Amino acid sequence: NAGVMQNPRHLVRRRGQEARLRCSPMKGHSHVYWYRQLPEEGLKFMVYLQKENIIDESGMPKERFSAEFPKEGPSILRIQQVVRGDSAAYFCASSPAAGYTGELFFGEGSRLTVL
Amino acid sequence: GQQLNQSPQSMFIQEGEDVSMNCTSSSIFNTWLWYKQEPGEGPVLLIALYKAGELTSNGRLTAQFGITRKDSFLNISASIPSDVGIYFCARTPDSNYQLIWGAGTKLIIKP
Repeated sequence: NAGVMQNPRHLVRRRGQEARLRCSPMKGHSHVYWYRQLPEEGLKFMVYLQKENIIDESGMPKERFSAEFPKEGPSILRIQQVVRGDSAAYFCASSPAAGYTGELFFGEGSRLTVL
Repeated sequence: GQQLNQSPQSMFIQEGEDVSMNCTSSSIFNTWLWYKQEPGEGPVLLIALYKAGELTSNGRLTAQFGITRKDSFLNISASIPSDVGIYFCARTPDSNYQLIWGAGTKLIIKP
């Protein structure tokens, strides 16, 4: 039973480039959450998605950031025209469709470094 | 508000010592979660608490949901080297599904 899979684990981009981070939820999970973590800090909520639906993107910057969870395939967090401040670890979590209880299952994260 | 105050920020302890950390909030809520994060990994759920006063154990870990619903503590007994990592408290607000996270307690075990 595979857990939450994220790739790439590490990504290096130059300023102005685009970063795409992918997340495949646990089997049987249809809810995906993206969090950002800066060094020495806790996780900050970015966006909550279900298949083909953005439920809550209140934690995501209005510009340059977008997320999707298509009917087929992984969820994608896309950062356009990256800046140095985007350097962080981005974690994806998933939960089952019914009865959210706060028990999120996290992937190992994608670490973005912007040069 | 939505802030969680987690303390201490870091702990330097000897192997075998007991550890205690806590989280407080200015508002009440329905769920307390304790996660552990090791370097280079994602957070892993340790204990989930759902009722005020609830005391739950997971091996050498014990956590309690405060009676006032505004705080929680996590204890680790007889610490071992693999306990090192960052421990986060998290909670769900009353009317939202978003997790709010504490800043973490970094546990370091002295050789």
